[in-house]
Amino acid sequence: EAGVAQSPRYKIIEKRQSVAFWCNPISGHATLYWYQQILGQGPKLLIQFQNNGVVDDSQLPKDRFSAERLKGVDSTLKIQPAKLEDSAVYLCASSLQSRVPGDYGYTFGSGTRLTVV
Amino acid sequence: ILNVEQSPQSLHVQEGDSTNFTCSFPSSNFYALHWYRWETAKSPEALFVMTLNGDEKKKGRISATLNTKEGYSYLYIKGSQPEDSATYLCAFIEAQFYFGTGTSLTVIP
Repeated sequence: EAGVAQSPRYKIIEKRQSVAFWCNPISGHATLYWYQQILGQGPKLLIQFQNNGVVDDSQLPKDRFSAERLKGVDSTLKIQPAKLEDSAVYLCASSLQSRVPGDYGYTFGSGTRLTVV
Repeated sequence: ILNVEQSPQSLHVQEGDSTNFTCSFPSSNFYALHWYRWETAKSPEALFVMTLNGDEKKKGRISATLNTKEGYSYLYIKGSQPEDSATYLCAFIEAQFYFGTGTSLTVIP
C-alpha cells in the first residue's frame, strides 16, 4: 500500500511570499489532516477534511492560511503571505474513519519543512 | 486545548542501556493513546494504540504501559540501539489528536 505523499520535502521562502504544499492521501482514506509542528512543540492540528468537506479548522490562521481538498482526494495547504513564525514542518495524515481514529490507523506523510527567512 | 506532557524532553543513552519516558494526559474522558516514533525527514510511525487501563503492549524491544486512572503512559526501550534514535511522540485522542512535545532519544554507539 502506498503511503501518504507530500511535496515538496523542503521549502525556503522570504517573509511575505506565498507557498503551497501538496498532499496525496492513501487511496480510500476519507479523512485528511494537516498538522503544523514548530520546533520544540508537538504537532498542532490545522485542518481536518472529511472527503472534500471541512470538519475542523478552528486552529487554522485563516487570515493567511487556506486549504482545499478538491474531489475529496488530494489536498493543498497555502500560506499567503508567510511570516517568520510559520517556519515549521507541515505534516499531512489520512485515516479511514471520519470520527476519532482510535483503532483504525492514522498514516502520516513525511512532511514539508518550511523555512521563512 | 488539552495538555499532553512528555518527559524528559531529550535523552542521551549509551548503546545497550535500557530507558523509559513518560506521557501524561488528562485522566477524564479517555478514548485512546497512541505512541509514534518519528525519525528526522521520515513519516511518524505508529508504535502502539492503547485503549484500556492496564494495557501493556510490546513490539520487539519496545513496550508501553497505560494507566488511564492516573493519566500516564510509559514507553520502555530495552537494550537501546543507535537505530532507536528518534523522537517519540504520544497522542491523546479525544475529539481530535492532542500531541505531546515528544522525547528526543539519542543512542550513542
